[in-house]
Amino acid sequence: AQSVTQPDIHITVSEGASLELRCNYSYGATPYLFWYVQSPGQGLQLLLKYFSGDTLVQGIKGFEAEFKRSQSSFNLRKPSVHWSDAAEYFCAVAQAAGNKLTFGGGTRVLVKP
Amino acid sequence: NAGVMQNPRHLVRRRGQEARLRCSPMKGHSHVYWYRQLPEEGLKFMVYLQKENIIDESGMPKERFSAEFPKEGPSILRIQQVVRGDSAAYFCASSPQGNGNQPQHFGDGTRLSIL
Repeated sequence: AQSVTQPDIHITVSEGASLELRCNYSYGATPYLFWYVQSPGQGLQLLLKYFSGDTLVQGIKGFEAEFKRSQSSFNLRKPSVHWSDAAEYFCAVAQAAGNKLTFGGGTRVLVKP
Repeated sequence: NAGVMQNPRHLVRRRGQEARLRCSPMKGHSHVYWYRQLPEEGLKFMVYLQKENIIDESGMPKERFSAEFPKEGPSILRIQQVVRGDSAAYFCASSPQGNGNQPQHFGDGTRLSIL
């Protein structure tokens, strides 16, 4: 069965500093990988996705993620965070057949002024 | 999220009552997914439906929970005889096709509270 691990439950970062959120997955084949962001009381917004090809993926809001097959990782990065980036971030994996998403436990990001 | 519409946004029920959660997918999407987010937890898959068909219900509790997606109208997640442990946020997502490379678009969820 596929699984997703986000090792960091909370991360606090200063505004303007860089951010990296870790995601490790367990899946037998090449997975489809996603990062979603959830603001309080809201639904999930897709930040970026990886299916194949270039392992460095660009997303919205200045985010990028890198797929590393050898490490089974799909870490999310942003060079300079803004106060509006404070939210909860979820990494997810889907299998090729059927679109069921398996989510990590999420990482809550706090941004200090 | 103007795409996937869920209602109500908040629902309060007493133990033993029924809860009905509605989801209208984005225009052109015929695949609907329901997820549950328990307090302080991530999202867990419940059920995947296509018009008039349940494709995968492996995440649905065996009792009291049911889902449908009729030919006309929204998808409905129904919880009978609710208990305190059903308190959670329930999210619906939709996609145009049912394969892994079609990103799912989420609604804003229904927050269910059981008194």
